[in-house]
Amino acid sequence: KAGVTQTPRYLIKTRGQQVTLSCSPISGHRSVSWYQQTPGQGLQFLFEYFSETQRNKGNFPGRFSGRQFSNSRSEMNVSTLELGDSALYLCASSLTTNEKLFFGSGTQLSVL
Amino acid sequence: DQQVKQNSPSLSVQEGRISILNCDYTNSMFDYFLWYKKYPAEGPTFLISISSIKDKNEDGRFTVFLNKSAKHLSLHIVPSQPGDSAVYFCAARGVTSGNQFYFGTGTSLTVIP
Repeated sequence: KAGVTQTPRYLIKTRGQQVTLSCSPISGHRSVSWYQQTPGQGLQFLFEYFSETQRNKGNFPGRFSGRQFSNSRSEMNVSTLELGDSALYLCASSLTTNEKLFFGSGTQLSVL
Repeated sequence: DQQVKQNSPSLSVQEGRISILNCDYTNSMFDYFLWYKKYPAEGPTFLISISSIKDKNEDGRFTVFLNKSAKHLSLHIVPSQPGDSAVYFCAARGVTSGNQFYFGTGTSLTVIP
């Protein structure tokens, strides 16, 4: 069974631009979560989607948004990029909510 | 507000010896705890978990201990192998937090051959 797939692996953007990251969960998994990893901060929860509905949201500004499609694939969008948005963005899927997470390899975003 | 803390950023252990990684949490509502292992340029990989109804869970060389009164969990790796060198994250979730897992900042383990 294929794992969680995130595209692209690397992105370089400039301040003020917007970016869209994509995540395909493990087949059959209906819950998709997004996390931001920065050095010294661990993994910070962004949001979780289940059956196309946002179930939970972390403490991030409204510039961070996401959605989930009927096939459980998910996208995350960051608008008006700031230097501090440079991070590894990780997507994780689980069979249902309240299950352990399976992570993708992440998208490394650099904002210049 | 860091609800899950890993106070040791790094740890070095000789091959064959025991590695002990520690994690503290502040929220008494957490009921499910996990350890993840992360290699550079890869996503975290699930290692072992424990629910709050247990105080120990074993899987091969890996054992997780939970001390609810101290709000502390630890991961023991015995014997340690060079391939165990990675960053280890502990994570916790509560009945009221849905699928939002709270992660520690990670401990970088180096196993010296």
